[in-house]
Amino acid sequence: NAGVMQNPRHLVRRRGQEARLRCSPMKGHSHVYWYRQLPEEGLKFMVYLQKENIIDESGMPKERFSAEFPKEGPSILRIQQVVRGDSAAYFCASSPSAGGWYEQYFGPGTRLTVT
Amino acid sequence: GENVEQHPSTLSVQEGDSAVIKCTYSDSASNYFPWYKQELGKGPQLIIDIRSNVGEKKDQRIAVTLNKTAKHFSLHITETQPEDSAVYFCAAGEAQKLVFGQGTRLTINP
Repeated sequence: NAGVMQNPRHLVRRRGQEARLRCSPMKGHSHVYWYRQLPEEGLKFMVYLQKENIIDESGMPKERFSAEFPKEGPSILRIQQVVRGDSAAYFCASSPSAGGWYEQYFGPGTRLTVT
Repeated sequence: GENVEQHPSTLSVQEGDSAVIKCTYSDSASNYFPWYKQELGKGPQLIIDIRSNVGEKKDQRIAVTLNKTAKHFSLHITETQPEDSAVYFCAAGEAQKLVFGQGTRLTINP
């Protein structure tokens, strides 16, 4: 049973470019969460999505960041016009249902470096 | 919103000794308290969790205690082994959201 998959594992972007991070949840899981981890810090909640719905985006920066979880395919975290401060590890987690939200299983992360 | 404080930030113990990591939280509505282990270059891995209706939970060498009145919870690792070396994060959860502590870098010295 494959776990949460994220790609790419490492992503390098120049300032001003766009970054697209993909997350495929565990089989049978329909809820996805994105977290950001700055170096030497804990994970910070960004957004919680179900298929075709954003449930809670209270942790998302107001500009340049967006997330989606389409009916088919992986969840996408999109960062437009990246800046050096966006350099971080981005993790997604999935859970089986709203009632099972506490069972969050994390992927290996995407490490974004902005040059 | 919820705020989680974790101490210590670094912890070094001799192999075979016990390690204790402590966390406090601010929101009394939080009802779920997991602990994650993160190894270098990997995602966090859930190692143990506790719900607000339970005071203590044990799984082999690891245990978690929760004091809801004082709003703090702790991770205990006994008979530590070199493979326990990692960064450990506590978190408090409520309404589909986890708020993480800052992490504790645990080093087990042989």
